[in-house]
This record gives sequence, C-alpha cells and structure tokens, in this order.
Amino acid sequence: DTEVTQTPKHLVMGMTNKKSLKCEQHMGHRAMYWYKQKAKKPPELMFVYSYEKLSINESVPSRFSPECPNSSLLNLHLHALQPEDSALYLCASSQDRAGGGSGNTIYFGEGSWLTVV
Amino acid sequence: KNEVEQSPQNLTAQEGEFITINCSYSVGISALHWLQQHPGGGIVSLFMLSSGKKKHGRLIATINIQEKHSSLHITASHPRDSAVYICAFVRTTDSWGKLQFGAGTQVVVTP
Repeated sequence: DTEVTQTPKHLVMGMTNKKSLKCEQHMGHRAMYWYKQKAKKPPELMFVYSYEKLSINESVPSRFSPECPNSSLLNLHLHALQPEDSALYLCASSQDRAGGGSGNTIYFGEGSWLTVV
Repeated sequence: KNEVEQSPQNLTAQEGEFITINCSYSVGISALHWLQQHPGGGIVSLFMLSSGKKKHGRLIATINIQEKHSSLHITASHPRDSAVYICAFVRTTDSWGKLQFGAGTQVVVTP
C-alpha cells in the first residue's frame, strides 16, 4: 500500500465555518507534510510533522491548525478562512524527514480542493 | 535568482513522439524528484534520483550531479501522458524535507 488518502476531495465552506481536512497513510511513514497549491503555481510547504511532532510551521496563519493524532493520521483544522485561502491542499508523507542526505521518496495524496465563500 | 529552472514551460507533442523536459538547479542536493500532476490535482512521484539514470516503462530520468542538471524523457508519448511534470528537491542544508519545486512543464500529447 503506497497510498496517501485525503478526505474530502472537495470542500466548500463559509468564512465563519469550522471544518477539517484529513490525511491518512499506512506505510509506516514518520514524516507527514501539508502543502498548499494555488492554480498554476508549485505547491508551498505549510507544515512538517516528524514522529507526530510539529517540526516546521512555515509562518502559516493561525486560522490553519494542524494536528497529528497518531503516526498514520494528519488533520488540518480550518477556521475563519478567507477567500484567498481557496486552493488545493496536498498531504504528503515520507519514511523519515526527506531532508538533507536522506533521499526519502515522498508520496503525495490526491489533494483536497478547498473553496472559501 | 531561482534555485531551480525547468524548461520548457509548455510542450505539445503528437502521439508517439519523444519528449524531453529539463531541470537545472544551483544548490547542493542529495536527490531530485520528478513528479507528475494531473488536472485532478493529485501528485505522483515518478522518480527519485541521486545519480545516473532510472527507467520505468516509457519514462527515463537522468541526473548529472556535477553539472546540476536532470532530464525526464518520455518515449512513445501517449495522450494519457498529458499532465504537468515537476522537478523538485530538498537542499542538502535542509533537515526537514522542504521540497523546492520547479515551475512545472505542461505537457499535452495529441492523438
């Protein structure tokens, strides 16, 4: 199983709503990532979790709140979003942190398309 | 200055043609990834290369670490190869796995 599963695939939410994006992998990977991708742009890193601990927060606004309840699951809680937050949110995982000389393959999910109205 | 330059930005080929996408970078890396993204959004990791050449089906990826250059080749292209192809890497100075992405190459293969 080399899948990273993301739900929901599509989400429309109002600016006062609270919703969550979910990501799951069963490859035993200990590093998980959230990326945000706007149309026709490369993905931008938001958060890195390593061994269920938040390791990197790329200055993401607090209206995005990540959570890693266990080694297989990664959530992104959304609250009071703005229309400019509408984007594709991609989850990824790797055996360990993919940095430096590790050369770990990174596996991406299909993404969750988020529209904020 | 961008650390990674990918070319061409757009490419249209007829079915059966040989396609080459190039990626040049200017920093130290340990491995380079070639990724494929279809319009539906999901990204598929095609190759991870640290040296030499890898082949998977009709796809071939090469890397020259000394020259800081990698290429992705698609042989006998097919309309289902239509997608955005992205090169990406993690700097050797980065411990946390932040991928640096090229701008992507939009490939369209016509029947």
